[in-house]
Amino acid sequence: DAGITQSPRHKVTETGTPVTLRCHQTENHRYMYWYRQDPGHGLRLIHYSYGVKDTDKGEVSDGYSVSRSKTEDFLLTLESATSSQTSVYFCAISPTPSGFPLHFGNGTRLTVT
Amino acid sequence: QQQVKQSPQSLIVQKGGISIINCAYENTAFDYFPWYQQFPGKGPALLIAIRPDVSEKKEGRFTISFNKSAKQFSLHIMDSQPGDSATYFCAASTGGGGADGLTFGKGTHLIIQP
Repeated sequence: DAGITQSPRHKVTETGTPVTLRCHQTENHRYMYWYRQDPGHGLRLIHYSYGVKDTDKGEVSDGYSVSRSKTEDFLLTLESATSSQTSVYFCAISPTPSGFPLHFGNGTRLTVT
Repeated sequence: QQQVKQSPQSLIVQKGGISIINCAYENTAFDYFPWYQQFPGKGPALLIAIRPDVSEKKEGRFTISFNKSAKQFSLHIMDSQPGDSATYFCAASTGGGGADGLTFGKGTHLIIQP
C-alpha cells in the first residue's frame, strides 16, 4: 500500500468535539492530500500539501484544517465535528504535483453522532 | 460543476463478459487520464492510465479507449471475473498541482456475477 498508514482506521465521535486524523508515509513523497469519499460524490479533495508547512485548500475545505510539520506526517483536524462530516477519509501521496501517480492509504471511517 | 462525468453508477456483468465504464470531460487542458480500482475497506489503487497522444492503451484484460475529439474515455474489462467486482473511478488531470490536480468521477460499482 505504498507505505501509507492512516490512523485511526475507525472513529466514532460526538457532534462538537475536535477530531484529528493522521497520515504517515514512508515514501518521502513531497505531495500529500486529504480526500473524503461519500456515496454519490466520489472522491473530493479537502486539503493538500506541497511540502513541509506548505498547505492549501481543496474543493471541500470548510470545517477542516491541516498541518504538516514533517515530510512524513500530514494531519487533518475537524475543529468541531458535525454530522455532515461523517465520511470515509483517505490520505494520498504523490511524487509529482500532477498526481501521477497518486497512491492512497486505506482510509479512516469517521462517524459523527 | 462536475468536470468529469462517469457512467453508469452501477453495472452488473456476467462472468466472461465485457465490462464497459464511460467518462466524459469538458476541460481540454486535461492531459492525464487514470483509472482507479477500489475494493471494500481499501483505498483506490491506480489501475491503468493514458495520455491524450494515444487512442488506446491495454494492460492485460484492461483497456482504456480515448476519443479526444469527443472528450470521452472508457475502461473496458475483457473476460470479466468475479475478482474484478469493485468500484472504479475515472479521473483527469491538467498536470497542475493541488486543487488543479486530479479530478475524479463519481465512481461505478461493478458486480461480476459468476
